[in-house]
Amino acid sequence: DTGVSQNPRHKITKRGQNVTFRCDPISEHNRLYWYRQTLGQGPEFLTYFQNEAQLEKSRLLSDRFSAERPKGSFSTLEIQRTEQGDSAMYLCASSPPLSPTTGELFFGEGSRLTVL
Amino acid sequence: GQQLNQSPQSMFIQEGEDVSMNCTSSSIFNTWLWYKQDPGEGPVLLIALYKAGELTSNGRLTAQFGITRKDSFLNISASIPSDVGIYFCAGQDTGNQFYFGTGTSLTVIP
Repeated sequence: DTGVSQNPRHKITKRGQNVTFRCDPISEHNRLYWYRQTLGQGPEFLTYFQNEAQLEKSRLLSDRFSAERPKGSFSTLEIQRTEQGDSAMYLCASSPPLSPTTGELFFGEGSRLTVL
Repeated sequence: GQQLNQSPQSMFIQEGEDVSMNCTSSSIFNTWLWYKQDPGEGPVLLIALYKAGELTSNGRLTAQFGITRKDSFLNISASIPSDVGIYFCAGQDTGNQFYFGTGTSLTVIP
């Protein structure tokens, strides 16, 4: 399978614990995005990497959130001191290098977080 | 972040009917994308549009990139039960940022 891979698919944690999600993008895709999705809403942008550089962060990404893409391949999203409001589906997506016909964004299956 | 206006919010149709949904934005986009999402899964890309006025088909799906670059629509012809799901539009701006619509929930009644 050469699609975007995310793990874990599901995570249940207690409030105050730290959680980390991993994303493996499609190979040769230099752009990687993290989104958060809550029930009944479309995906909301969290952060964006081009290769290993984090180019943009949403105001949704509080100080408790950190994302890395150390070698320009896989990425991790860590949430520290989780709160119940962090419960959501966390989606990773990757996109190939820009060209007039390659603006697609391909999603993984998501990591669902439940904070008790 | 910006969310695009997508309508209708939900649709209940009989199997075999055609479906139309649209998406509008206050900003100009370079790319419009349409996705389908099943419960508990990530969105799956259906169609990508790159030029204003472009009309693209993928099987029973047809989508158009609006001339103003601020809107797009998706049509599904001869709906079948497996078309059930939530459909999202997404636009890509000049900063390579993607913004998503609020979704259209489609129910197909056999």
